[in-house]
Amino acid sequence: DSGVTQTPKHLITATGQRVTLRCSPRSGDLSVYWYQQSLDQGLQFLIQYYNGEERAKGNILERFSAQQFPDLHSELNLSSLELGDSALYFCASSGQVLNTEAFFGQGTRLTVV
Amino acid sequence: DAKTTQPNSMESNEEEPVHLPCNHSTISGTDYIHWYRQLPSQGPEYVIHGLTSNVNNRMASLAIAEDRKSSTLILHRATLRDAAVYYCILRLGGAGSYQLTFGKGTKLSVIP
Repeated sequence: DSGVTQTPKHLITATGQRVTLRCSPRSGDLSVYWYQQSLDQGLQFLIQYYNGEERAKGNILERFSAQQFPDLHSELNLSSLELGDSALYFCASSGQVLNTEAFFGQGTRLTVV
Repeated sequence: DAKTTQPNSMESNEEEPVHLPCNHSTISGTDYIHWYRQLPSQGPEYVIHGLTSNVNNRMASLAIAEDRKSSTLILHRATLRDAAVYYCILRLGGAGSYQLTFGKGTKLSVIP
C-alpha cells in the first residue's frame, strides 16, 4: 500500500460527459502529480500541484483541468469526453525533500463508450 | 529531461540475478537516475535512485558507470513477483518538482 488513495477504481461513462477523479496523497506530502496511461502512449505526465498551486504542466488537454484543495487532496476533471480518453489515470505524491521517491496510487480506469 | 534507452524486453530464470541496462549518454551533471517498476494492473513503484555512486537498498542495487552515461539495475535473485516493466528515468531536481518522464521501459519476464 503506497498510501495514495484514488477513487473511483473504475468509471464507465458516455462520450460528451464530464467526470471527476479524486486523489488523496500520502499524509504530509505536498505535491500531487497526475499521469495518464493508455496502451499506445505509455505513461504521460499531465500536471503537478504543490501545496495548492499549479507547479508544472505536461501534455494535458484543454478539456482537462485539475486542482488541489487546502486539505491537499486533488481532483482531475475531464470534460467533453471522447473515446480516446479511455485510459488509466494515476495520481502520485511526494514530499518536500529533493529527489525522494514518488508514491503512486492504484489508478482509476476510465472507459468512455 | 534527458533521454534514456532501454531494451524492450528481457527474460530471467527465477532465483537468478538480473541486470537491467539503461543508456543515458546525454545526461547532465545534475540529473539523478531513477528506477521505477510497474507490476501488472498496478501503479508504478519506486525502486532506487542515485547520482554518481552505486546504491543499494532492500529491493535492488544500482550500478552507475564512471562517466554516468549508463547505469544498470541489479536484482540479486529474481522472483516471480519481479515480473514487471522497469523504467529508467533521469530527473532534474528542483524544489517542489518531481516530474517524471517515463519511456517505454523494459518488460522483464521471470521464468519459473
